[in-house]
This record gives sequence, C-alpha cells and structure tokens, in this order.
Amino acid sequence: AQKITQTQPGMFVQEKEAVTLDCTYDTSDQSYGLFWYKQPSSGEMIFLIYQGSYDEQNATEGRYSLNFQKARKSANLVISASQLGDSAMYFCAMREEYGSGGSNYKLTFGKGTLLTVNP
Amino acid sequence: EAQVTQNPRYLITVTGKKLTVTCSQNMNHEYMSWYRQDPGLGLRQIYYSMNVEVTDKGDVPEGYKVSRKEKRNFPLILESPSPNQTSLYFCASSTWGQGLNEQYFGPGTRLTVT
Repeated sequence: AQKITQTQPGMFVQEKEAVTLDCTYDTSDQSYGLFWYKQPSSGEMIFLIYQGSYDEQNATEGRYSLNFQKARKSANLVISASQLGDSAMYFCAMREEYGSGGSNYKLTFGKGTLLTVNP
Repeated sequence: EAQVTQNPRYLITVTGKKLTVTCSQNMNHEYMSWYRQDPGLGLRQIYYSMNVEVTDKGDVPEGYKVSRKEKRNFPLILESPSPNQTSLYFCASSTWGQGLNEQYFGPGTRLTVT
C-alpha cells in the first residue's frame, strides 16, 4: 500500500482563486511529520509547510495552509489567492520516526500534483 | 550561505562505467539522503544516513552504494550503471529529532545512462 497518496495528477485554478491539493497518508506511528514541497519547472525542491502529528493547530505559512485531519489521515495543502508563479509540481511527504526515542526516520514522498494557474 | 551542493549537475554515461555523484552540505546536518525522481513516481529514497558511518537502505537501493566518512559528504556510487538508472537525482540533508527538521535539497543531478 502506498504510504502517501496524491489523487490529483493535475489541477487547474484561476489566478486569485484558492485551490486545495489533496494528500492522504498511511502510518501506524504516533509520531510523524508531514511536509509539502513545491517543484517549479526549473527543478529545485522548495519547502513550503510542515505539520507535526502532535500539533493541534493547522500549520500556516503566508498563503499556504495545511488542513490536517488526523483521524482521516489527510494533510491537504490549501493555497489562497493563487498566483501565476504557483504553477508547479507539488509533493506531499511524510516523515516516519522509529527506533529508540525516534532515533531513526525516513521520508516518503507522494507522486505529486501538477498545478497550473490560469490567468 | 547554507546549501547542499551536488556534482555533476548533468551526466551522460554508458552502461557499466562506474560513476560517483558527490553531495556536500555546509550546515552540519546529521541526516543526509539520496532520492531519485522519475515521471509519475515522485521522489523515491535510495539511501539515507543518520550520521557518520551510519547508512541504511531506502525504498530503491538496488544498484547503488553510499558512504558517509565525513559529516558533510554523502557520495552516491553507481558501480555498474544501467539504463534504468537514468533519472533525476537529489541529495538532501537535515537535522533530525522531534520537530520540523526541514530537508534541504541540492539542485539535482540529471543522469542519462545509454
């Protein structure tokens, strides 16, 4: 079974509108972290936002917010007021912590969602 | 400037010719990792290292080797490259433990094996 599922291979949004990119995850760990990264056409990986499994508040970073629903195991990224520069591939990732005292961890990425912002 | 560097950025090679992709970070991070990115598959972890002399397999380790002799360096070695290792490779580093521990990515190395 996939650990991270992004069900939307591609999404389109009009400039200035909000868009939600879906991400569901699968883990039996109690302690884990969820990340969103942006990859523009230039190829670099840009960190956007992080949510820890024990964080009670949804994470926000500027126009980015993470809609964290722990019981449903979902961590959707919401981009408000889309801009043309938001057109990119977006990856959801999960860090699972294991070993004594969380001394080891690995990061698993989803397959990504290609977001296109139309003018 | 805090950064992760990879070399080379682009490489075209032939099947069976050993190659090394270097990765270096200047942030004193304990955790380093290699990923490959293929269309439709996202990023898949090849190997990772929690600290010097500590490495472990990720999800797709076959055909790759790594070493971590110094904290700052984490080279990826392809002993006998094959065409199915044609991919975009990323090195990343971070601190580890509870909390954010954001992964810092290198610029990527585009490898073509003919």
